[in-house]
Amino acid sequence: DVKVTQSSRYLVKRTGEKVFLECVQDMDHENMFWYRQDPGLGLRLIYFSYDVKMKEKGDIPEGYSVSREKKERFSLILESASTNQTSMYLCAGQRDGSFGQPQHFGDGTRLSIL
Amino acid sequence: GQNIDQPTEMTATEGAIVQINCTYQTSGFNGLFWYQQHAGEAPTFLSYNVLDGLEEKGRFSSFLSRSKGYSYLLLKELQMKDSASYLCAGTGAGSYQLTFGKGTKLSVIP
Repeated sequence: DVKVTQSSRYLVKRTGEKVFLECVQDMDHENMFWYRQDPGLGLRLIYFSYDVKMKEKGDIPEGYSVSREKKERFSLILESASTNQTSMYLCAGQRDGSFGQPQHFGDGTRLSIL
Repeated sequence: GQNIDQPTEMTATEGAIVQINCTYQTSGFNGLFWYQQHAGEAPTFLSYNVLDGLEEKGRFSSFLSRSKGYSYLLLKELQMKDSASYLCAGTGAGSYQLTFGKGTKLSVIP
């Protein structure tokens, strides 16, 4: 069965801190994604990666960076956390870029920035 | 990316049928996904349509009309556990990125 694991379900950090959100997939998937989900706004793509050390900006990359040093791990980094980054963060994996491949999501990390 | 539109909320009765609609812009379209998301949980994949017509999977069916830029998810014999948000997501030509709609929150009542 498909498994995408996010390191924390809940996280509380302070403004200005550097925050790391970790995501691991055990499916040998090529593509990985980071989204944030906010009430009334839906899921919005922050960054994605289609290979090790490769990354592409999504729709809302400002204030974030990512790292993919190994195929199974995709990290989201908040360089200097701000209160407007309080949100639910969802990681997803996708087998490859062929059409019709679904994305499989982790359980999410609910991040609060105080 | 796509511009995806779906209703914000719907309510339906246990045992009934409900149809959740989704419209998208047709230029550069290359397939449409439906996901289910229970409160506090991850979205889970329900269906994918790229050709016109109806795809049936048990109680759930998904329909696509490419010419009209329109899809719907049909849920039959509603159960209380079907109370969830249903997310419509489109892919553009040459891209595996998904653009999600804001989701439709379905409440199933006794």
